[in-house]
Amino acid sequence: TVMTQSPATLSVSPGGRATLSCTASQSVSSTLAWYQQKPGQAPRLLIYGASSRATGIPARFSGSGSGTEFTLTISSLQSEDFAVYYCQQYDNWPPTFGGGTKVEIK
Amino acid sequence: EVQLVESGGGLVQPGGSLRLSCAASGFTFSIYWMHWVRQAPGKGPVWVSRINSDGRSTSYAESVKGRFTISRDNAKNTLYLQMNSLRAEDTAVYYCARDPSIVLVDDYFDYWGQGTVVTVSS
Repeated sequence: TVMTQSPATLSVSPGGRATLSCTASQSVSSTLAWYQQKPGQAPRLLIYGASSRATGIPARFSGSGSGTEFTLTISSLQSEDFAVYYCQQYDNWPPTFGGGTKVEIK
Repeated sequence: EVQLVESGGGLVQPGGSLRLSCAASGFTFSIYWMHWVRQAPGKGPVWVSRINSDGRSTSYAESVKGRFTISRDNAKNTLYLQMNSLRAEDTAVYYCARDPSIVLVDDYFDYWGQGTVVTVSS
């Protein structure tokens, strides 16, 4: 299953709202995860099951969608949120990741 | 606190071999599925392999099947990846990652190690 993320880069002002998209080439039901990755660090799980926040993830991160269209929303960007975000499906084998969206400071 | 610490990466010539290790702590390693995921420079992560809790069930990405072998030693809380016949396209940061499921595998990753760099070049 090919995962396509858009846009490739998103420029947002601190305190602004970021909306990231992820499209699957075939239905993945709600078995979708989102990860955040900062330079030189491993990915960190943010969202699983399309909309459930992982342990310790702030409420400003929310996920939605099902089937082939998914969205990650960051409601009020903090300085620590500027990073690359990846979606990953785990409904169809093998699990596959998108190419990422870089959220940068505007 | 869950910790995963990889080691064993390095520079190897095409056709060579490496064995990666991942030392786990802060959780009951022996009951979780575990994975290896790799990430080439500037690219998204790619799943490589997984192993069930007792080591009897393994799966591999097509790109590494027949060349890589995943294993674990639950007495030592350690996950391994034996990599043979290495190619330039295997160059990446290799992460070990925990599956959140302790029953059926979920195939997403709730904890990751910091990664170990593998470079395949002559």
